[in-house]
Amino acid sequence: DSGVTQTPKHLITATGQRVTLRCSPRSGDLSVYWYQQSLDQGLQFLIQYYNGEERAKGNILERFSAQQFPDLHSELNLSSLELGDSALYFCASSPGGGAGTEAFFGQGTRLTVV
Amino acid sequence: SQQGEEDPQALSIQEGENATMNCSYKTSINNLQWYRQNSGRGLVHLILIRSNEREKHSGRLRVTLDTSKKSSSLLITASRAADTASYFCAHSTGNQFYFGTGTSLTVIP
Repeated sequence: DSGVTQTPKHLITATGQRVTLRCSPRSGDLSVYWYQQSLDQGLQFLIQYYNGEERAKGNILERFSAQQFPDLHSELNLSSLELGDSALYFCASSPGGGAGTEAFFGQGTRLTVV
Repeated sequence: SQQGEEDPQALSIQEGENATMNCSYKTSINNLQWYRQNSGRGLVHLILIRSNEREKHSGRLRVTLDTSKKSSSLLITASRAADTASYFCAHSTGNQFYFGTGTSLTVIP
């Protein structure tokens, strides 16, 4: 168990809908990273938050947004969903703000858009 | 894209044999990490090698890094069926991790 909790584990929704994925980082970790894993794109970095502030941005679509709350949990909001958004979404956490340390991954949320 | 690449894409070996997988990247890096992913599950950190290191060992794992060639390799010695998984390298530059495309390893008992 990595200590990172993601909910829900599975989500099925229709095109055009909006969903929220939740991540609780390991106790004491200040950074949260979000990744999307699909068969054709591999693991894509979406966004990083550090202690409540956006730290780095990757290939995140404008339809997607994230935030990190004062208790350090994070939410990834996906809106106007398309079939191509079907993927595994991972959250990871690390103690510091840089990418020079080990990241601990949650078990992921499998999103299916129908 | 700054995504790394790994080869081979898939590797099948007999239990007890060694498995070697390679990773290449395009930019200068702070460090490089290797992760394992069992089917559809989260990634588990295996080892981190810093840009000023050339080789690192952890149990049955040996990682090398050649920054001049922008490449790294992961060697798993005396493989076990439980090593069956996908293996990803991730290089960090700035504040971002970039993952490779992964190598799917199958260890046949």
